[in-house]
Amino acid sequence: GAGVSQSPSNKVTEKGKDVELRCDPISGHTALYWYRQSLGQGLEFLIYFQGNSAPDKSGLPSDRFSAERTGGSVSTLTIQRTQQEDSAVYLCASSYNRPSGGETQYFGPGTRLLVL
Amino acid sequence: GDSVTQMEGPVTLSEEAFLTINCTYTATGYPSLFWYVQYPGEGLQLLLKATKADDKGSNKGFEATYRKETTSFHLEKGSVQVSDSAVYFCALTGRTGNQFYFGTGTSLTVIP
Repeated sequence: GAGVSQSPSNKVTEKGKDVELRCDPISGHTALYWYRQSLGQGLEFLIYFQGNSAPDKSGLPSDRFSAERTGGSVSTLTIQRTQQEDSAVYLCASSYNRPSGGETQYFGPGTRLLVL
Repeated sequence: GDSVTQMEGPVTLSEEAFLTINCTYTATGYPSLFWYVQYPGEGLQLLLKATKADDKGSNKGFEATYRKETTSFHLEKGSVQVSDSAVYFCALTGRTGNQFYFGTGTSLTVIP
């Protein structure tokens, strides 16, 4: 079946603009995750959704970042007033069930964001 | 807080050499531990996992044992191949199950 898809695959924006990144998880997966991967750094966990709710938003780096998930499926990560330090690859993943107990995450190809 | 520390790379090995990539963790309680791999031009994918102490995860000739006494989950393979060239990430699920922690990744290049 189809894997996790993300759009756009690449985004170039100017500093101060808002951007929206989209993630389509694998059908039937209840859990959805967002990460950020900066050059030379590991994966930084941003947020996790179980259904439409996010139990813990403390991973979001600032109040310019927000995320929502509707219908238990598609999720959007929004970055307002982008800064150059927001440039990174944003990865989305999904898993069949809640993450406790070692659920496998399936990753999308990522959105490469460049803020000029 | 919870965290993962893994061996820095890059690592370059000859084909058929033995591979160890060290990973240690700090966590409250009993996390689940993972190794993910990112092959060139591809997305991250699960390599193996272990969900409780003394469990051994294995896949594609790779192994890692969940050692609570040393808080480690080292990745090993007895004989690497060129096709194993990739970036390897150690990761854990935190106690609440609501947060995930990845290491910085170790780049492995295997030369013929």
